[in-house]
Amino acid sequence: DIQMTQSPSTLSASVGDTVTITCRPSQRMTTWLAWYQLKPGKVPKLLMYDASSLESGVPSRFSGSGSGAEFTLTIRSLQPDDFATYYCQQYSSYPLTFGQGTRVDIK
Amino acid sequence: QVQLVESGGGWVKPGGSLRLSCAASGFTFRDYYMSWIRQVPGKGLEWISYISSGSSDTKYADSVEGRFTISRDDATNSLYLQMNSLRAEDTAMYFCAGTYSSTSAFDIWGQGTTVTVSS
Repeated sequence: DIQMTQSPSTLSASVGDTVTITCRPSQRMTTWLAWYQLKPGKVPKLLMYDASSLESGVPSRFSGSGSGAEFTLTIRSLQPDDFATYYCQQYSSYPLTFGQGTRVDIK
Repeated sequence: QVQLVESGGGWVKPGGSLRLSCAASGFTFRDYYMSWIRQVPGKGLEWISYISSGSSDTKYADSVEGRFTISRDDATNSLYLQMNSLRAEDTAMYFCAGTYSSTSAFDIWGQGTTVTVSS
């Protein structure tokens, strides 16, 4: 199984900041990695797929990068709507696995 | 619009059973590969089961193998999860989610249904 180690677990930031979340797989993997945004009571939202492809309709301030052993999600110019919890997920092999999540809250 | 709506959650005693449903609309359900994913309160996401387009392949997480069964009815655009021998640790929000291929990200999610296993 591929374990996904996501960091940090919590991140405090201000509107306008740039934040970066990292995900490291327990073994080298393909770029079959996604990032999701979760908010309480709302449908989870796909942000990035294939590590660096932006899902249709997602603002361009979100970007993803990485391959093999480390992946990152960057949010530039943080907006009030971006305060949420973010998860990485690998779909390179079953069982599909998620990172532990990163809560982005207001400083 | 594209939508998945889960139902069937509730409270059940340990050892009991529940059947979750997920109703799809706004997209070609039969072409989608579907999964169930759960989130324990205050914890992260856990993928638990997958069924391929056409129902030819199913997969389960070790934590539910032998207790849960995934199925789908393409005639009614419905996904199901039969949960037997439920345990306290199965208490979670259960989401259905879909992908357009067997190796792609979950681009469609439902809002979730809550399952509570407690005596």
